[in-house]
Amino acid sequence: QKEVEQDPGPLSVPEGAIVSLNCTYSNSAFQYFMWYRQYSRKGPELLMYTYSSGNKEDGRFTAQVDKSSKYISLFIRDSQPSDSATYLCAMSPYNNNDMRFGAGTRLTVKP
Amino acid sequence: EADIYQTPRYLVIGTGKKITLECSQTMGHDKMYWYQQDPGMELHLIHYSYGVNSTEKGDLSSESTVSRIRTEHFPLTLESARPSHTSQYLCASSERGTVEKLFFGSGTQLSVL
Repeated sequence: QKEVEQDPGPLSVPEGAIVSLNCTYSNSAFQYFMWYRQYSRKGPELLMYTYSSGNKEDGRFTAQVDKSSKYISLFIRDSQPSDSATYLCAMSPYNNNDMRFGAGTRLTVKP
Repeated sequence: EADIYQTPRYLVIGTGKKITLECSQTMGHDKMYWYQQDPGMELHLIHYSYGVNSTEKGDLSSESTVSRIRTEHFPLTLESARPSHTSQYLCASSERGTVEKLFFGSGTQLSVL
């Protein structure tokens, strides 16, 4: 069983929709939770990060962590075609050397 | 502009050739990493470095080697390329003490025929 599970999609939504992306994990030692966005033929870029449980909001993006359920989410409000990308969840106990990534969910936002 | 650069972007090469993938960063970061990414699969760490003259293997077994002679430069070398090495290789860096933020290059797509 993988330490981090992420539905690969693909996910296709109309412009303006609310998008929900999710990951589950098995390692209770994870403390840092990240979401990276990766455009085609580019490297991932950090979108959001959260330490431990709770919510974090940045513009149209909200990251949620539920450590009791070992479940993290990324919500995108008022989705735009420019949000079309692959979204990778990542998590780490305390050290980047032990960071684990999900396989990514490919999102397409149609105008 | 502070950034992380990888060259070449694409490389098609024959079996048995020696190759070096270049990675340079201008952010002054101590830590650097090499990840391998295959389509639909998670990123796997193959090498990392805490600083000059420091190199460690990651959790994915790899036949590649790395060196860190200068802070800004972290090249990856394959002595004898094989078709099984076909993959995307991503270089990343981070500041010492920050767990959450990795800065990635655009990657090198390697194809070994």
